[in-house]
Amino acid sequence: QKEVEQDPGPLSVPEGAIVSLNCTYSNSAFQYFMWYRQYSRKGPELLMYTYSSGNKEDGRFTAQVDKSSKYISLFIRDSQPSDSATYLCAASYSGAGSYQLTFGKGTKLSVIP
Amino acid sequence: NAGVTQTPKFRVLKTGQSMTLLCAQDMNHEYMYWYRQDPGMGLRLIHYSVGEGTTAKGEVPDGYNVSRLKKQNFLLGLESAAPSQTSVYFCAISGAYSNQPQHFGDGTRLSIL
Repeated sequence: QKEVEQDPGPLSVPEGAIVSLNCTYSNSAFQYFMWYRQYSRKGPELLMYTYSSGNKEDGRFTAQVDKSSKYISLFIRDSQPSDSATYLCAASYSGAGSYQLTFGKGTKLSVIP
Repeated sequence: NAGVTQTPKFRVLKTGQSMTLLCAQDMNHEYMYWYRQDPGMGLRLIHYSVGEGTTAKGEVPDGYNVSRLKKQNFLLGLESAAPSQTSVYFCAISGAYSNQPQHFGDGTRLSIL
């Protein structure tokens, strides 16, 4: 079992919808959680970076971590066609080896105008 | 992308040929990483480096070698290319402090016939 699981989708939503992207993880030692956005033929781009449980908001994006259920979420409000991309969640430990990330396989999102 | 430049962007090789992929950064970050990304497999770490002159194996190191002779450059070598190494290769960098997020280049698409 991979340490970070992510539904690959694809997920298709109409413009303006609220999008919910989710990951689960199995390793309780993970303390740091990230969301990356990857456009076609481009490298992953860091979107959100959070520590431990709680919410973090940045514009239309909200990252949520629930360590009790080992659940990571990314919400996109008022989705736009430019949000169409693959979204990758990632997690890392604290301390030794903390520079190594464990990625989910990514969810492909399409926002239809 | 965040000061990470990968060359070449695209290459086709024949089985058994060798080549070197170059990753160059202008961020003065300590840590550098090589990943491969395959459909359905997500991002997998090949090798990484925590500083000039140091390298270490990641999740899928077989068939690859790396060198970090200068802090700003991280080279990935394929000594005898195999069709199974057809992939998109990404380089990433991060700071030396614990749990710094990784920033990626735009990748090298490698096809081995």
